[in-house]
Amino acid sequence: NAGVTQTPKFQVLKTGQSMTLQCAQDMNHNSMYWYRQDPGMGLRLIYYSASEGTTDKGEVPNGYNVSRLNKREFSLRLESAAPSQTSVYFCASSQGAGDYGYTFGSGTRLTVV
Amino acid sequence: AQKITQTQPGMFVQEKEAVTLDCTYDTSDPSYGLFWYKQPSSGEMIFLIYQGSYDQQNATEGRYSLNFQKARKSANLVISASQLGDSAMYFCAMREVNTGGFKTIFGAGTRLFVKA
Repeated sequence: NAGVTQTPKFQVLKTGQSMTLQCAQDMNHNSMYWYRQDPGMGLRLIYYSASEGTTDKGEVPNGYNVSRLNKREFSLRLESAAPSQTSVYFCASSQGAGDYGYTFGSGTRLTVV
Repeated sequence: AQKITQTQPGMFVQEKEAVTLDCTYDTSDPSYGLFWYKQPSSGEMIFLIYQGSYDQQNATEGRYSLNFQKARKSANLVISASQLGDSAMYFCAMREVNTGGFKTIFGAGTRLFVKA
């Protein structure tokens, strides 16, 4: 009964370091998403994957890359972390475009110092 | 231009009373979906309710209903018989079917406090 699993839950990086956030879903959903949540700004879409083999930019893609490894897994990579990327990151998945709602992971709290 | 506006940063409601959380939206796409999500203090995001732009009736899910006023471009969430467990952050969101594709955008949220 896992749903959407994100790892790690917490991470502290130094400016310029790289890391990959992992996301996996076991609901056989076609679509997956990465959002960031900052205080007072709601959630902003970074990248999404409408189906296996496709990825597209969202509202705030700069500084990030993604990989849809297979139908289950969608990773987010920060190549050279910056303090502006300090945020809570959420992965989500949906059947189709999400009109039945997204299922979210529990989030990753990332701090870049 | 901001497409989802939630003007109430915080709201208080007495337990067992009803509360309305406001949401207005802006789109020129005739086909769109509207959503509400709940984020408790534990941090997870929980889908509550969905309304399609062509739906004739307001959506309801248990104690949640969406007051959809298309001409006013508003999609307010009504929670009936508030419970202490309803204390959380609530986000309104929208997907523009033709112009937005798979992108769902979120408002800044309203924090609801339920008082015993």
